[in-house]
Amino acid sequence: DVKVTQSSRYLVKRTGEKVFLECVQDMDHENMFWYRQDPGLGLRLIYFSYDVKMKEKGDIPEGYSVSREKKERFSLILESASTNQTSMYLCASSLHQGRGTEAFFGQGTRLTVV
Amino acid sequence: AQTVTQSQPEMSVQEAETVTLSCTYDTSENNYYLFWYKQPPSRQMILVIRQEAYKQQNATENRFSVNFQKAAKSFSLKISDSQLGDTAMYFCAFMKPGGTDKLIFGTGTRLQVFP
Repeated sequence: DVKVTQSSRYLVKRTGEKVFLECVQDMDHENMFWYRQDPGLGLRLIYFSYDVKMKEKGDIPEGYSVSREKKERFSLILESASTNQTSMYLCASSLHQGRGTEAFFGQGTRLTVV
Repeated sequence: AQTVTQSQPEMSVQEAETVTLSCTYDTSENNYYLFWYKQPPSRQMILVIRQEAYKQQNATENRFSVNFQKAAKSFSLKISDSQLGDTAMYFCAFMKPGGTDKLIFGTGTRLQVFP
């Protein structure tokens, strides 16, 4: 079974803090994604990576950065957390085939910025 | 740009009944992939069903089937013999082929199955 594991299920951080969300997958997938999930807005892509050290902006990258030093790990970084970044964050991974392969998701991290 | 629309924020169905969730999308592509993902209350998203646009035949997976109408850009999900475990958020998603494999999601439909 593919496993995508996010380091925390719940996080509470203060405004201005630097926040790291970690994601690890164990199936040697090339693609990794970070989505943000908000009620009424669905899932929106923040960043994705199709190879080590490669990254591309998604639809809402402002206020976020990412790091992919190893194939299995993809980190989302909030440089200076703000209250409007309170949300559910979902990590996903998939094979890089360009042929509609299934994405596998982590359990999500509920981040609250106070 | 591609967009995905789910016009039903919430739906409910009685156990053993059938329910249909709607999804429409907008694209100028001729070939693409469509998906339904399920997010149960425990939150881990899982794939329910997948459709390739160039295939005329509607995809089915046990109690789950789709009605894919390419000309109308419609991709509805039918759940037959609903079970309590079907209670979840359901997301429709679109993917272009040959690119980055990224998914474009709709806003989701919350389905409640009642005993």
